[in-house]
Parts: sequence; structure tokens; C-alpha cells
Amino acid sequence: GAGVSQSPRYKVAKRGQDVALRCDPISGHVSLFWYQQALGQGPEFLTYFQNEAQLDKSGLPSDRFFAERPEGSVSTLKIQRTQQEDSAVYLCASTRGMNTEAFFGQGTRLTVV
Amino acid sequence: GESVGLHLPTLSVQEGDNSIINCAYSNSASDYFIWYKQESGKGPQFIIDIRSNMDKRQGQRVTVLLNKTVKHLSLQIAATQPGDSAVYFCAENNDYKLSFGAGTTVTVRA
Repeated sequence: GAGVSQSPRYKVAKRGQDVALRCDPISGHVSLFWYQQALGQGPEFLTYFQNEAQLDKSGLPSDRFFAERPEGSVSTLKIQRTQQEDSAVYLCASTRGMNTEAFFGQGTRLTVV
Repeated sequence: GESVGLHLPTLSVQEGDNSIINCAYSNSASDYFIWYKQESGKGPQFIIDIRSNMDKRQGQRVTVLLNKTVKHLSLQIAATQPGDSAVYFCAENNDYKLSFGAGTTVTVRA
């Protein structure tokens, strides 16, 4: 596609509900990243994939967060038993390779009520 | 804590004037920096980058300056336009991870 596509754009979840956020990276981009952006803050790294391999998940805030990219293309970020502190914009980015320009999607705004 | 940070959270600038946005970093080993622009409801958009073997890099209406001695970088926008209103982030690229500062909100006055 022309750019990184994320869905849904907005998600309202009741506390305790599970959610799944989808990212379609730019076709052919090897690297895929998830970031979390709290209101008024800069994005914070969550996890990194190179093709289907999750090489770094050090930024995931708890074991309720899980990400996958089974075929090295589309990625899903899953949050189990959502809490209010999970409310944020979740951004996906993809790059052709290491140290190349990162292209970001528009993000999914998650609100936990 | 943050490895990069911005000096001012907001900047108001008259249309047509030049804007300067500042950023400080703490890791003297950092060697690759990127400026991003984020408009409301959108993801960050790449503006310009600079590596530590350079002091200055210019793009279209933008210039990034890097001062490794004081660990400071700045983004200069020439002839600021209403479309430049956004939040600007400096980010440090550590191999593959981006570390962002909190951002400066630029508002352009007509």
C-alpha cells in the first residue's frame, strides 16, 4: 500500500476487555515497530520485528501486552484485560531495514473506560 | 529517563518568521538524530535527519544543527507557514529504536 495502515482508528474498551490492534506495514518493509504515545508525550518504544521474528519486546509494559507478525507482514498488538493506564495512541511504524527512514501509521487511539 | 529532551514545550511564531526548536540529549555516544513533525490525529512524519559526523544539514526550508560539544541539536524552519503548525519531536536512533523527547508545539500566528 501507499503507507502504513492501522485499524481501528479509535477503540473504546471497557476495563478488563481484550483488544487487538492491527498494523499493515508498507509492502516489502522488513522492520516493524510498535510505539505507545500517551497524551502530550512523545512515542515510547514497545516492540520490534524483523520479518516474522520479534527481536525486541523490552518496551512492552506488562505481560498483558502481546505482539505478533506471523507471516512477516501484518502485525497485531493484543492487550489483555485492559486497564485505564493502557489508554493511549498506539503507533505502528515500518522501515526497509535498520537505520532507514521510519514511516508511521496514523495510530489507534485506545480509550479504556 | 528520557535520553532526549526539548527546551520549550510551546512556541508561537508569526507567519513568515523563522522558527527555531531546540533539543538536548544526554548520551555522548549518540550518533543519529531525526526530527519528526506530528499533526493532530496523525502519526509522526520524518522531516530531516543528521548523523554525528555532520554539524549541519539542510532540507527544503529546514536546517538541522548538531553541536556535539554541548549535546544539543536544533531545527530551524525558514519562513514559517500555517501548515507548519504541529508538534515537533527530536528523536535519537539507537540501532533500530527511536527515543523521542516530549515535543514542542508550534503555533503559527497569521
